[in-house]
Amino acid sequence: ILNVEQSPQSLHVQEGDSTNFTCSFPSSNFYALHWYRWETAKSPEALFVMTLNGDEKKKGRISATLNTKEGYSYLYIKGSQPEDSATYLCASPYFNKFYFGSGTKLNVKP
Amino acid sequence: DVKVTQSSRYLVKRTGEKVFLECVQDMDHENMFWYRQDPGLGLRLIYFSYDVKMKEKGDIPEGYSVSREKKERFSLILESASTNQTSMYLCASSYQTGGGTEAFFGQGTRLTVV
Repeated sequence: ILNVEQSPQSLHVQEGDSTNFTCSFPSSNFYALHWYRWETAKSPEALFVMTLNGDEKKKGRISATLNTKEGYSYLYIKGSQPEDSATYLCASPYFNKFYFGSGTKLNVKP
Repeated sequence: DVKVTQSSRYLVKRTGEKVFLECVQDMDHENMFWYRQDPGLGLRLIYFSYDVKMKEKGDIPEGYSVSREKKERFSLILESASTNQTSMYLCASSYQTGGGTEAFFGQGTRLTVV
C-alpha cells in the first residue's frame, strides 16, 4: 500500500477567494502524480498528470506544482467559482495501480 | 468520447445475496480497477486486472472476487453481501503505462445492503 495523504479534508470558501490544497506521497519509487476532480453525481475526471520534479501544470484558473524530492504537490484554484465545488483527489501510481488520498472537499459559496 | 460504463447507478440488495457489479470500457485499455469509496477513507482498491483473466488483489479484497473474461469487461462479485459492503463502488480503466496516463472512471454504483 502506498500512503498518499491530502489536506485539508474539507474547505469552505467564498466566491472569488483563491485556495490551495496539498497532496503528500512517498518520494521513493516515484513515477507520477495525478490530480482528479470529482463533482457530485459525476465520474472523477483527470485534471493533471505530473511526472517531473518542478513540473507546473495549468488549466484555466487551476494549477498544480510538484516536488518529487520532498514528496508533495499543491493544487491551486485562483478566484474560486461555485462550479469549482467538488472533491479533489490526488493519486500516486505504483506498478500500474493507483493509490488515492482521501480527497479535499471544496465548497465555494456564491 | 471515452467511456467507462457501470451497469447500475443504484442497487439495493439483501444480506447474503450474491451481487454482480459490471463495468465495460470502450478504450481498449489493458488495466481495469474496482474501488470503493467511503467517507473519510478515499478510494480504496479492491481488485486490479492487467489483462484478460489476470487479476491482482488490492488493499481490501476480502468478501469480493472479480472476473475478466473479455478485455472490455470487468465484473466485481460480492459472494455473500453483508451490510459492511454498503458503499459507493467505482470502476476505472487505464492504459498500461505504469501510471503515466490518467485513469478513466465510471459513474459509480451506490450499493446498499439491507
